Amino acid sequence: GAGVSQSPSNKVTEKGKDVELRCDPISGHTALYWYRQSLGQGLEFLIYFQGNSAPDKSGLPSDRFSAERTGESVSTLTIQRTQQEDSAVYLCASSLIAGDLTDTQYFGPGTRLTVL
Amino acid sequence: KNEVEQSPQNLTAQEGEFITINCSYSVGISALHWLQQHPGGGIVSLFMLSSGKKKHGRLIATINIQEKHSSLHITASHPRDSAVYICAVLGLDSYGKLTFGQGTILTVHP
Repeated sequence: GAGVSQSPSNKVTEKGKDVELRCDPISGHTALYWYRQSLGQGLEFLIYFQGNSAPDKSGLPSDRFSAERTGESVSTLTIQRTQQEDSAVYLCASSLIAGDLTDTQYFGPGTRLTVL
Repeated sequence: KNEVEQSPQNLTAQEGEFITINCSYSVGISALHWLQQHPGGGIVSLFMLSSGKKKHGRLIATINIQEKHSSLHITASHPRDSAVYICAVLGLDSYGKLTFGQGTILTVHP
């Protein structure tokens, strides 16, 4: 079946503008995760959803970042008033159930965000 | 100090060599993942371990929970194995939140 998809694949924006990044998880996966990978840095957890709720928002770097999920499907990560340090690849992953030890996370291809 | 440390950071090998990548972590975990990231960025989950050893083709992953250490081995390495290998741990009660190592860049020359 189809894997995790993300759009856009690339986004170039000007400092101060808002951006929305979209993730379509694998159908039937109840858990959805957002990560980012800055240039030369490792992967960093941002937020995860179990269904439509986000029990752990501890990874969001500032209040400019928010995320929502509707219909236990699509999720949107919004960054307001973008800054140059927000430039990174934003990765989405989904899994059948969060925290299940037999659960594999399937990653999307990522959105490369560049803030000029 | 990072909660998850990988070594080496960079590894160069000749085709056919046996390769080992190490991962040490400092927190209690319920599982450990090994991920592969190819040039171009796509990430694939290779293994998830909570104990013992798993094998898939030429890849073997082991974990020692008491020593808080895991290894990823590649037998008969091939240039197509060239990628970044990332260790990630699922902390106790973290409900899916992975904490990642910095990754090991593997280059296998023909």
